[in-house]
Amino acid sequence: DGGITQSPKYLFRKEGQNVTLSCEQNLNHDAMYWYRQDPGQGLRLIYYSQIVNDFQKGDIAEGYSVSREKKESFPLTVTSAQKNPTAFYLCASSPTLWGNTEAFFGQGTRLTVV
Amino acid sequence: SQKIEQNSEALNIQEGKTATLTCNYTNYSPAYLQWYRQDPGRGPVFLLLIRENEKEKRKERLKVTFDTTLKQSLFHITASQPADSATYLCALDITLNNAGNMLTFGGGTRLMVKP
Repeated sequence: DGGITQSPKYLFRKEGQNVTLSCEQNLNHDAMYWYRQDPGQGLRLIYYSQIVNDFQKGDIAEGYSVSREKKESFPLTVTSAQKNPTAFYLCASSPTLWGNTEAFFGQGTRLTVV
Repeated sequence: SQKIEQNSEALNIQEGKTATLTCNYTNYSPAYLQWYRQDPGRGPVFLLLIRENEKEKRKERLKVTFDTTLKQSLFHITASQPADSATYLCALDITLNNAGNMLTFGGGTRLMVKP
């Protein structure tokens, strides 16, 4: 089955730790994205990638880092510099970066700082 | 700055009625507009895409309108059912950092359909 997979579903982080969220897609999509969603809020863009080995900052990139070494994979690292990391993180992909194609989302990772 | 507004208050309607959700935007002229459904704790799921030269798009019980003069899209669900209860997000094709166009999402409106 084609799709986009995020793991883990739930993640707990201690203060000062870096954690990495996984995102894998087998849809052969060029574009991938990371969004953050806070309770009752919309989606805010963290990073996006249009092609392998290239990525761009979104609206709230501070405290986060990404890599795009393979077309299928776009992991997100939440660093200790992110002061309020507790949120629901969503990864998405689309055939191109243009808004004329639908985006496919993973099931999300809920990150909690303990 | 570019802004996408959806009613942040929940919309409560009776089963069988038509639900109408609004998406307003400012300072931009998107070529495309999309609507997504999101259930609690899940990722959004694509519903419909409408282009700037299309006034209306339908899919089963769903209808979307796109008024580029008013800078507004309306999303209708006819004969609503309790299973339609979810948060509905609109997304616009917006230029980002001179790197091309991509989707930017509104805050979503929660719909509650009562039996």
